Amino acid sequence: NAGVTQTPKFQVLKTGQSMTLQCAQDMNHNSMYWYRQDPGMGLRLIYYSASEGTTDKGEVPNGYNVSRLNKREFSLRLESAAPSQTSVYFCASSDVGLASETQYFGPGTRLLVL
Amino acid sequence: ELKVEQNPLFLSMQEGKNYTIYCNYSTTSDRLYWYRQDPGKSLESLFVLLSNGAVKQEGRLMASLDTKARLSTLHITAAVHDLSATYFCAVRISNYQLIWGAGTKLIIKP
Repeated sequence: NAGVTQTPKFQVLKTGQSMTLQCAQDMNHNSMYWYRQDPGMGLRLIYYSASEGTTDKGEVPNGYNVSRLNKREFSLRLESAAPSQTSVYFCASSDVGLASETQYFGPGTRLLVL
Repeated sequence: ELKVEQNPLFLSMQEGKNYTIYCNYSTTSDRLYWYRQDPGKSLESLFVLLSNGAVKQEGRLMASLDTKARLSTLHITAAVHDLSATYFCAVRISNYQLIWGAGTKLIIKP
């Protein structure tokens, strides 16, 4: 099992460019999440998908959109990147929300917006 | 405001010593998590604490939860270099949302 995979691992964008971060899990989990991690701060939830076909905003959704493509895949899109979106992005999954004992995290995508 | 505060934020210690990381939170919650992150890596779950007075241990790490005081501790016993990492606590506020502490960067010197 690969667990949670993310692509790309690293990306440089210019202000105003768009991109999609991909995430896939092979654990048959229902719930998936996108977080961002900034230096000196804890993770902040951008969006989550409780189950296939649903998505909801988290703590910091502005500037992002998501798609739960199927049970395995959950993508994060930046329509017009801004320097403030420079961050490390983590995708995570869990069996049934946080009723599950843990979330499993992907390796992260490091994004630099110039 | 919902807050999770960890202290210290940085800790440098010698191998063989004991130390405790503290996690205070501002809202009632029924679940607290501890995660470990190695530099440039992803996050790995260490413990989930589900009730007041819960204590869990894995090797040299022991975590406890006091829901009345809204406090969790992560105790390191006889530290070894391999435990060098950043440790995060997180508190569940809904079935899909956690509030995370800023992390404690732990460096253990030989």
